[in-house]
Amino acid sequence: ETGVTQTPRHLVMGMTNKKSLKCEQHLGHNAMYWYKQSAKKPLELMFVYSLEERVENNSVPSRFSPECPNSSHLFLHLHTLQPEDSALYLCASSQGGQESGEQFFGPGTRLTVL
Amino acid sequence: GQQVMQIPQYQHVQEGEDFTTYCNSSTTLSNIQWYKQRPGGHPVFLIQLVKSGEVKKQKRLTFQFGEAKKNSSLHITATQTTDVGTYFCAGYGNNRLAFGKGNQVVVIP
Repeated sequence: ETGVTQTPRHLVMGMTNKKSLKCEQHLGHNAMYWYKQSAKKPLELMFVYSLEERVENNSVPSRFSPECPNSSHLFLHLHTLQPEDSALYLCASSQGGQESGEQFFGPGTRLTVL
Repeated sequence: GQQVMQIPQYQHVQEGEDFTTYCNSSTTLSNIQWYKQRPGGHPVFLIQLVKSGEVKKQKRLTFQFGEAKKNSSLHITATQTTDVGTYFCAGYGNNRLAFGKGNQVVVIP
């Protein structure tokens, strides 16, 4: 158990639906991340939050909207997604930023967009 | 932008044999991290290398960071079935952490 939980673990949604992914870390970390993992592609960093402020947004389409209400929780709000958005969405946390080393990943949400 | 490439992308390794996976960056890195992802699982941190020429060992795993801090390798000896999975490197440089595509390892009993 890594101390980072994600819900739901699996999600199937239509292109017109609105859903949210939730991540919670129990490690007292001050940075949280959303990654997208697609087959045959590197892990793609989507968003970085440090001390609850968004510090990075890697040209992610606006149909993905992150929210970080506090240092332990991170959400990814989804709306009008496309089939190519189907992937494993991983949340991670760390103490310090990306340069500081170990990131703890959650189990991921397997998203399928029909 | 910064790119991290891993070779090979796939390996089939006989149980008991050794293998190596390589990571190369287009730019000089501040540090490099290695992660392992089991089938159906999530990435788990293995190690971070910071110094030029650094070598670290974890039991049967040996990690190296190149002198120029642009490449790294992971060498596993006496492969076991538990070594199955995808090994990712992630290089930190230019204020960004970039992951490679990973090396998927299949262990043949």
